[in-house]
Amino acid sequence: SQQGEEDPQALSIQEGENATMNCSYKTSINNLQWYRQNSGRGLVHLILIRSNEREKHSGRLRVTLDTSKKSSSLLITASRAADTASYFCATDAIPNFGNEKLTFGTGTRLTIIP
Amino acid sequence: EAGVTQFPSHSVIEKGQTVTLRCDPISGHDNLYWYRRVMGKEIKFLLHFVKESKQDESGMPNNRFLAERTGGTYSTLKVQPAELEDSGVYFCASSQDVGAGANVLTFGAGSRLTVL
Repeated sequence: SQQGEEDPQALSIQEGENATMNCSYKTSINNLQWYRQNSGRGLVHLILIRSNEREKHSGRLRVTLDTSKKSSSLLITASRAADTASYFCATDAIPNFGNEKLTFGTGTRLTIIP
Repeated sequence: EAGVTQFPSHSVIEKGQTVTLRCDPISGHDNLYWYRRVMGKEIKFLLHFVKESKQDESGMPNNRFLAERTGGTYSTLKVQPAELEDSGVYFCASSQDVGAGANVLTFGAGSRLTVL
């Protein structure tokens, strides 16, 4: 079964607006990460939040984590055309036997309209 | 520092043929992972190498898929014989040994496989 599910599947907003994407997962985790994929490119790590953290910021990115609801959100503020990409959450499960693989969801396709 | 390199970027083959995908991880990264994304679905884990050893191959779909990592450096993923449902984008990722810490992956650009 799928560990991570992003919501919505697709999102289109005007440049300058904020974009919010959500991720739900099923099993207990150590960490949750968000990655971005531009068309034809590999995934790029954006931000990591640990299971004992509730919120984290990095530049225009804000991530929240609610382990009781097994969900996370990614907020991109003041969006730019260059933010157009697919965004994936990824989790590593516990127990962690070391160098644990990440489990990804289906992603949210974000389109920024200039 | 060179990133993760994958070759070929795109391969088109007939059903029943064989294809070999190659991944060169970042130098010094002991961990190497293969993932696959089929037609907009989730990115699914295939397998994980630690150096030359297969740590976890629970995601390999069937015995038509064979992965190797010679000498703990580059890795190959062979599909033989290819079927239509094997079409998708195959991603390779690598990471340093982090033990039980946070494992941040560096991905290659992917190899798109189209089976006709």
